[in-house]
Amino acid sequence: GAGVSQSPSNKVTEKGKDVELRCDPISGHTALYWYRQSLGQGLEFLIYFQGNSAPDKSGLPSDRFSAERTGGSVSTLTIQRTQQEDSAVYLCASSFGSGGRAAETQYFGPGTRLLVL
Amino acid sequence: AQSVTQLGSHVSVSEGALVLLRCNYSSSVPPYLFWYVQYPNQGLQLLLKYTSAATLVKGINGFEAEFKKSETSFHLTKPSAHMSDAAEYFCAVGHNAGNMLTFGGGTRLMVKP
Repeated sequence: GAGVSQSPSNKVTEKGKDVELRCDPISGHTALYWYRQSLGQGLEFLIYFQGNSAPDKSGLPSDRFSAERTGGSVSTLTIQRTQQEDSAVYLCASSFGSGGRAAETQYFGPGTRLLVL
Repeated sequence: AQSVTQLGSHVSVSEGALVLLRCNYSSSVPPYLFWYVQYPNQGLQLLLKYTSAATLVKGINGFEAEFKKSETSFHLTKPSAHMSDAAEYFCAVGHNAGNMLTFGGGTRLMVKP
């Protein structure tokens, strides 16, 4: 079956512009995660959605970052007024979201490589 | 807070040699531990995971890892390296409360012919 897909695969933007990154999780997965992978910080958790519950935003680095998930499926990560330090690969993952979620396998998309000039 | 340390950001082995990638964790509660592999320009793929069943976990592509509570370790091994094993490997711990994964810094494995 189809895996997690992300678009665009690459994005180049100018400092100060807003960007939107999209994630399509695996069908039937109720849990969705965003991570950021950068040279200086490694892999960092950003935000987590589970069904209709309020998202866990504890990993968002600043209020310039926001995310939403429409209809319990597709998610969009928005970065406003981008800065050069936002340059990174943004990875989306999904999981079934059943009981014992900490043990669940997260399935990752290929990522969006963001470059802020 | 839970954390993961991977010793050695780069490991180089010869084809056919043993692969050993080290991972130590800190956790106040029994952890869930994962190894993921990332090939160039791709996302992360699960190799194996420990979820408090057997301490020796077998994964894909001939990899296995052993959970050692006394050493707080979850090292990844493979008896014989293949060229196709060249990739970056990440150890991660799952959180009961937050559901997210906390990753180690990653180890880039290079396989020499």
